[in-house]
Amino acid sequence: DGGITQSPKYLFRKEGQNVTLSCEQNLNHDAMYWYRQDPGQGLRLIYYSQIVNDFQKGDIAEGYSVSREKKESFPLTVTSAQKNPTAFYLCASSIFPNTEAFFGQGTRLTVV
Amino acid sequence: GEDVEQSLFLSVREGDSSVINCTYTDSSSTYLYWYKQEPGAGLQLLTYIFSNMDMKQDQRLTVLLNKKDKHLSLRIADTQTGDSAIYFCAESIKIYNQGGKLIFGQGTELSVKP
Repeated sequence: DGGITQSPKYLFRKEGQNVTLSCEQNLNHDAMYWYRQDPGQGLRLIYYSQIVNDFQKGDIAEGYSVSREKKESFPLTVTSAQKNPTAFYLCASSIFPNTEAFFGQGTRLTVV
Repeated sequence: GEDVEQSLFLSVREGDSSVINCTYTDSSSTYLYWYKQEPGAGLQLLTYIFSNMDMKQDQRLTVLLNKKDKHLSLRIADTQTGDSAIYFCAESIKIYNQGGKLIFGQGTELSVKP
C-alpha cells in the first residue's frame, strides 16, 4: 500500500538527549514536510524539502535538524537545544511543493 | 505575512448542517484545502478548491470561496456523530526558488451531539 509511515508512534526522551523521528513515503513524492502540533495552535512548519539533498527552514526550525539523502526518507532530529520538545509531530509529503499534502499518523514525543 | 485564522470550536446537533469558516491572508494562494483530524491521528485531506473557483461540491461537503474577502468555508450537510473531529483550513504559498509550502489554521473542533 502507498503511504507515509512515521515511527515510532510514541517516544519518550530524557532532557538533554537528542532523538530522531523517522518518516518514510513510498508515494514517489518530491516534497516532504515536518509539522509540530500543540493544543490550540494548529500545525506549525518546522522544515520542508522540495527535492533530494535540499531543505529549508520553516517557522520554528530552532532546535531541530533534518536530512534528505533519499527521496523517500526525511528524518527529523529533535536536539537538546529545543526548549519545549513535548508535542505531536506530523510528517507529510506532496507530489510537488505547495500541492495537497498527505500525512503520516504522527509521533507523540514526551520529554521526561 | 502568511496567516490563516479559524474559530476554535463549533457544536451542532446530529442532522443539522455545520459551517466552518476560515480567513487567509496570501492573495496569491493557488489552492485552499480542508483537512480532518481524528483524535491521535494524522490529517486526512477532505477536499480542496482552486483559487479561480467560487464553489465546489463533493457529496455532503460544499466549499465556498470569497477571494475578495479571502474567506473560505466548509459546509457539512446532515452532520453525523462520525463527523466529530478537528477541521483544518490550509492555503498553499509559493516561495520563489524554494517551491512552496502549506500554511494551516489553528483548527476548528467540531462536536456533534446526538
